Amino acid sequence: KQEVTQIPAALSVPEGENLVLNCSFTDSAIYNLQWFRQDPGKGLTSLLLIQSSQREQTSGRLNASLDKSSGRSTLYIAASQPGDSATYLCAEFQGGSEKLVFGKGTKLTVNP
Amino acid sequence: GAGVSQSPSNKVTEKGKDVELRCDPISGHTALYWYRQRLGQGLEFLIYFQGNSAPDKSGLPSDRFSAERTGESVSTLTIQRTQQEDSAVYLCASSLGGAGYGYTFGSGTRLTVV
Repeated sequence: KQEVTQIPAALSVPEGENLVLNCSFTDSAIYNLQWFRQDPGKGLTSLLLIQSSQREQTSGRLNASLDKSSGRSTLYIAASQPGDSATYLCAEFQGGSEKLVFGKGTKLTVNP
Repeated sequence: GAGVSQSPSNKVTEKGKDVELRCDPISGHTALYWYRQRLGQGLEFLIYFQGNSAPDKSGLPSDRFSAERTGESVSTLTIQRTQQEDSAVYLCASSLGGAGYGYTFGSGTRLTVV
């Protein structure tokens, strides 16, 4: 059974700090991995999509990496801002499946 | 449309009543997915539609849950005889059709069964 684990479950940092969110998955046949952001009471906003053939993707202050051999992905947020406060979810597509399997998320709080 | 649209945004219903949730995917997206998110929990897959293929219903929790989609357009998720444990946010997503394209999610319908 595919499992996606996110550590830590919650993280609180001061404004301006660089931080890393971790995601691990059990299925080495991963097809791609997608990072989302969820604000309270809202839906999910896609941040970055990494194909299995790629090692990383960047968008602004965000950088996501994918290491299939170790079953890990990281989301790096540079110079964090209070507006980055949200729950960050990673989700993987298994090879041959059209379903995203989600982790439970990391709740990030950036304090002014 | 520009994004995935879900309605209603909030629904409060009495236990035992039927409810219908609607999802309008992005135009041209052949794949459509329903997920459920209970309070404090991760997202659970419910059902997946791809074009005219038979839907993947493997995530539906009971026979009280059903979903339909007409072609590559609107989908409705129906919950019959609602129970309190059905209270959750129901999220719809669409995709251009392959796993490589990623998902775009709607804002969800918050269902509360009282």
